[in-house]
Amino acid sequence: AQSVTQPDIHITVSEGASLELRCNYSYGATPYLFWYVQSPGQGLQLLLKYFSGDTLVQGIKGFEAEFKRSQSSFNLRKPSVHWSDAAEYFCAVGAQDTGKLIFGQGTTLQVKP
Amino acid sequence: EPEVTQTPSHQVTQMGQEVILRCVPISNHLYFYWYRQILGQKVEFLVSFYNNEISEKSEIFDDQFSVERPDGSNFTLKIRSTKLEDSAMYFCASSETSDTQYFGPGTRLTVL
Repeated sequence: AQSVTQPDIHITVSEGASLELRCNYSYGATPYLFWYVQSPGQGLQLLLKYFSGDTLVQGIKGFEAEFKRSQSSFNLRKPSVHWSDAAEYFCAVGAQDTGKLIFGQGTTLQVKP
Repeated sequence: EPEVTQTPSHQVTQMGQEVILRCVPISNHLYFYWYRQILGQKVEFLVSFYNNEISEKSEIFDDQFSVERPDGSNFTLKIRSTKLEDSAMYFCASSETSDTQYFGPGTRLTVL
């Protein structure tokens, strides 16, 4: 069955520290992979996506993610976190034909001053 | 930058009532989706819509749900007889091709 797991429900980091949010997926074919961010009261904003090619993808707001097929992972990273990065982050896998997205549980990021 | 819009932002209704949630997708997009997020749970796929018909639907999307594109701009989700468990945030999304979806801000539905 297709699924996405985000093992960390809640993460707290200090401003300026590096960040890694974990995502593991289970999908029968080559997946389309996404990270979305949701700030309080806002919709889901696309941070970055991976379809094929270079396994390290760059996104908006200084985020990047690396696709590792051997580990079925697509972890999100940022070298230096800003207070405005506090939000909920969702990893998702997409069906190539219909586009249906399957989301992980989400990780809430808190940033300490 | 074009964006997906949804109205209303918050809808309160009585159990058994019909509700219609409205979405205006990005204008040149051809694929449309509805998702929902029950408080504290995952975002769940409900339905995808392309070329004026449903292309895929989840188990959640039973006979109480329907979608429609009544004109060239709106995309609606109707729940015929709401239940308490329909209380959730409902997100509309659209995409130009079936790969990258852009989401609206959501409608919070509260069923009393």
